[in-house]
Amino acid sequence: DSGVTQTPKHLITATGQRVTLRCSPRSGDLSVYWYQQSLDQGLQFLIQYYNGEERAKGNILERFSAQQFPDLHSELNLSSLELGDSALYFCASSRSYNEQFFGPGTRLTVL
Amino acid sequence: AQTVTQSQPEMSVQEAETVTLSCTYDTSESDYYLFWYKQPPSRQMILVIRQEAYKQQNATENRFSVNFQKAAKSFSLKISDSQLGDAAMYFCAYSEIIQGAQKLVFGQGTRLTINP
Repeated sequence: DSGVTQTPKHLITATGQRVTLRCSPRSGDLSVYWYQQSLDQGLQFLIQYYNGEERAKGNILERFSAQQFPDLHSELNLSSLELGDSALYFCASSRSYNEQFFGPGTRLTVL
Repeated sequence: AQTVTQSQPEMSVQEAETVTLSCTYDTSESDYYLFWYKQPPSRQMILVIRQEAYKQQNATENRFSVNFQKAAKSFSLKISDSQLGDAAMYFCAYSEIIQGAQKLVFGQGTRLTINP
């Protein structure tokens, strides 16, 4: 158990819908990262937050957005969902540069 | 852009034997971090071992060790005394720090099978 929690574990929704994925980092970790794992794209970095502020952006679609709240938990919002958004979404957290600990992931299925 | 290449899509090893997984990366930076992650069938991403580029000494964690060749941009993972529980996908990852921003760039993974 990495200490990073993600909810929900599974999410099934329809095209065009909007969903919110939630992540609670390890106690004391100020950085939160979001990654997408799909069969065709592999593991891709989406976005990083540090203590509530956006620090880095990767291949995140405009339909996706994220934020980190004062209690350091983070949410990833996915809107106007398409079939190709079906993937495993990971959250990771860290307190130093030589580590990133991953949560169990949220499996999103778009029908 | 930085890239990470794992040239072995699949590897297999006999239980109790030693196996080495390969990873190469491309960067123009001198300071960065390298990681190996394990992803078992549960899909959890588990940090196996990490290496800071400024450290010449190869990292070791119990049965896991790395061979870090900075000039060759190579970062291989050696698993000694392989166990059935080592069966998983293994991902090599690279990271650099730019103004406090950090992201992991992953290779495509190597699927490791342990034969009893």
